[in-house]
Amino acid sequence: DQQVKQNSPSLSVQEGRISILNCDYTNSMFDYFLWYKKYPAEGPTFLISISSIKDKNEDGRFTVFLNKSAKHLSLHIVPSQPGDSAVYFCAARALQGAQKLVFGQGTRLTINP
Amino acid sequence: DGGITQSPKYLFRKEGQNVTLSCEQNLNHDAMYWYRQDPGQGLRLIYYSQIVNDFQKGDIAEGYSVSREKKESFPLTVTSAQKNPTAFYLCASSQGPYSNQPQHFGDGTRLSIL
Repeated sequence: DQQVKQNSPSLSVQEGRISILNCDYTNSMFDYFLWYKKYPAEGPTFLISISSIKDKNEDGRFTVFLNKSAKHLSLHIVPSQPGDSAVYFCAARALQGAQKLVFGQGTRLTINP
Repeated sequence: DGGITQSPKYLFRKEGQNVTLSCEQNLNHDAMYWYRQDPGQGLRLIYYSQIVNDFQKGDIAEGYSVSREKKESFPLTVTSAQKNPTAFYLCASSQGPYSNQPQHFGDGTRLSIL
């Protein structure tokens, strides 16, 4: 049972435009959500997180939105830059989950010049 | 520089052989984790440890073993019982199991079968 789903395996965006990556989850006990960026043959790098008591969190070009009623999470990157080309994973942690993260399958983002 | 060091970067295993992947952190984090990534898939939790001398099974612990004798170190052994060990293995750590602090990852070990 895939509790965290990223339904788009890939996304292609023009440089300078907005990139929107989506993530859906099924477990209503998730209380903390994160986005990671990963380059090939490297470990994931933490980007941004959001607690379930918020619906938006911003950090520079990155904004994460949380819609609890729809169990939907999105990451907006504005403006998109060539260095943003990578695989993006969303992850979620359940209440009392001892930081056990459940990861989505990832979305490969390609920024075109 | 503080961080997580995984070694080796590439590892080859023969049939019937146990191999151990190293993970060391100097971030003074209490919690450490091992994940496995297969092509086109997300990360799946193998084992985690919230504190020294304690560890718990994750979602796919069969065929793996760990130890946590020191706060800085959390080695993973891939035993001969793991029938499909070829994967990218990632180690992570975080300040504490219940804090809203992200996990930080090492650069991984790619394990292949000879």
